[in-house]
Amino acid sequence: NAGVMQNPRHLVRRRGQEARLRCSPMKGHSHVYWYRQLPEEGLKFMVYLQKENIIDESGMPKERFSAEFPKEGPSILRIQQVVRGDSAAYFCASSPSLLNYEQYFGPGTRLTVT
Amino acid sequence: SQELEQSPQSLIVQEGKNLTINCTSSKTLYGLYWYKQKYGEGLIFLMMLQKGGEEKSHEKITAKLDEKKQQSSLHITASQPSHAGIYLCGADIVGYGGSQGNLIFGKGTKLSVKP
Repeated sequence: NAGVMQNPRHLVRRRGQEARLRCSPMKGHSHVYWYRQLPEEGLKFMVYLQKENIIDESGMPKERFSAEFPKEGPSILRIQQVVRGDSAAYFCASSPSLLNYEQYFGPGTRLTVT
Repeated sequence: SQELEQSPQSLIVQEGKNLTINCTSSKTLYGLYWYKQKYGEGLIFLMMLQKGGEEKSHEKITAKLDEKKQQSSLHITASQPSHAGIYLCGADIVGYGGSQGNLIFGKGTKLSVKP
């Protein structure tokens, strides 16, 4: 059973470009969470999604950031017009259901904005 | 202020020694997770605790959640170099009916094990 998969593992973008981060949850998991880990800081929750629904986006910056989890395919975290402050490790986690919400994390995508 | 405090921030132990890492919250912890992270890598799920007084073990690692569900400890027995890494506690402080899944994390404890 493959774990949570994220790609790319490393992403370099120039200021102003768009970054797309992908997350494929574990088989059988229908809940996806995105977290951001800034240098020297802890993990911060960004958004929680189920298939085709955003359940909680209280941790998402109001502008430039969006997330989706379509019926088919991976969850996507999209950052438009990236700035240097967006450089961080972005982690995705998945869990089976509301009743069993053990969260398993992917390896992360390290975004560097130059 | 940090809602989840981990201590110590870093720890260096001699191989074979026991150690304990603590995670404390001012709020009730409805789900407490322990993860291990190697530098530059993802998080490895270790254990999840939900009930007051609960204790779980996996190999040489034991985690406990206190009766009041506001503090958890992670104990490693007879540490080995393979235990080195950053240990993170994460917690659901909202519980069912709230924004479950929205975990908050401590800043981590960096563990080094000297051979």
